[in-house]
Amino acid sequence: GENVEQHPSTLSVQEGDSAVIKCTYSDSASNYFPWYKQELGKRPQLIIDIRSNVGEKKDQRIAVTLNKTAKHFSLHITETQPEDSAVYFCAASSGGGTSYGKLTFGQGTILTVHP
Amino acid sequence: DGGITQSPKYLFRKEGQNVTLSCEQNLNHDAMYWYRQDPGQGLRLIYYSQIVNDFQKGDIAEGYSVSREKKESFPLTVTSAQKNPTAFYLCASSATSGRAFFGPGTRLTVL
Repeated sequence: GENVEQHPSTLSVQEGDSAVIKCTYSDSASNYFPWYKQELGKRPQLIIDIRSNVGEKKDQRIAVTLNKTAKHFSLHITETQPEDSAVYFCAASSGGGTSYGKLTFGQGTILTVHP
Repeated sequence: DGGITQSPKYLFRKEGQNVTLSCEQNLNHDAMYWYRQDPGQGLRLIYYSQIVNDFQKGDIAEGYSVSREKKESFPLTVTSAQKNPTAFYLCASSATSGRAFFGPGTRLTVL
């Protein structure tokens, strides 16, 4: 089955700096890669996603890049703010249609943004 | 994700007891999922259903059971066979566009 590795497990940055979180996956059939943000005790919230036919996607301060050859994808957050502090999860799916929610998650990265 | 509800928010189970977690969605999504989250870890798939009256095991289905009698509802039963059920349980749903949205979760504790 699919295996997703996520690094680093913790990341501490100063407000205004950039943050990068990296994930690798094992199943070459995976074709959908979402990122979720989870605040303490809350549900995961989808912040950005990318499909395998796209190499990069950007939404304001957040961007995701995908390298299918290396089976590697990354989350980039620019101009970080204290409210960006949370746990971030990457995930991968090889499903189509109604199977896109069948996700394999990474272990999570605790991001702390210091004012 | 505001269209997915889970109840109860907190649940306490005694040894040997079965408990059922509720998940309802009004997003008209075909697919629904149950995930388990342990402290400091990622989410793991328990069961999923792509259509009414059909469901498949995920990675950690042992000790759990589900039903999908209605499109809107996907309850999860944690049976006494699940030896370590204390966790945060998250229900999700998705449409054919793929994006999965999560409910607020149920925190289950074994007494």
